[in-house]
Amino acid sequence: ETGVTQTPRHLVMGMTNKKSLKCEQHLGHNAMYWYKQSAKKPLELMFVYSLEERVENNSVPSRFSPECPNSSHLFLHLHTLQPEDSALYLCASSQAQGLNEQFFGPGTRLTVL
Amino acid sequence: GENVEQHPSTLSVQEGDSAVIKCTYSDSASNYFPWYKQELGKRPQLIIDIRSNVGEKKDQRIAVTLNKTAKHFSLHITETQPEDSAVYFCAASIYNFNKFYFGSGTKLNVKP
Repeated sequence: ETGVTQTPRHLVMGMTNKKSLKCEQHLGHNAMYWYKQSAKKPLELMFVYSLEERVENNSVPSRFSPECPNSSHLFLHLHTLQPEDSALYLCASSQAQGLNEQFFGPGTRLTVL
Repeated sequence: GENVEQHPSTLSVQEGDSAVIKCTYSDSASNYFPWYKQELGKRPQLIIDIRSNVGEKKDQRIAVTLNKTAKHFSLHITETQPEDSAVYFCAASIYNFNKFYFGSGTKLNVKP
């Protein structure tokens, strides 16, 4: 284990459902990230929280809503998703300052029906 | 914003041969370049990184080179082994800024 955990590991949801992804890090980091990984595409940075403040939102649709209640936890709330949102969602954490080596969680495999 | 391009998308080598993966970036402010390895069904893991004040870095069979002028950096794996088979991602970032831009990945297949 790298110290970054994600739940659930797999999620199947309909387009009208509301669900949440959870990420937790036990590394003492103070920056956390959400990435989307689709087949044959680069890792797409969705959100960055540094010191519990959102510092990056790469034009992600509003049907994705992040929440960072503290430096150890990160959520991604999902509602009215589309089939093209099916992907692997990876959480990562790092130190906010200095060398920003990122540690990734195992990901949540999301399927939208 | 930063644009990172990675080539080739797939690479097949014989065990024992060398493998080279190349990336280019567009933002001259980028100064930190990590490489991640992602095995099938697993999370990406950092294997080596380089900062812009260094031209080359080695760690056993893995090396990374950086050409700041040309804005490209490369991963070199020597004496490849079947367990090197994975997808490799390059990334560019600005030190102290929490933004990472990843390449599209290279699927490396090492044939025994």
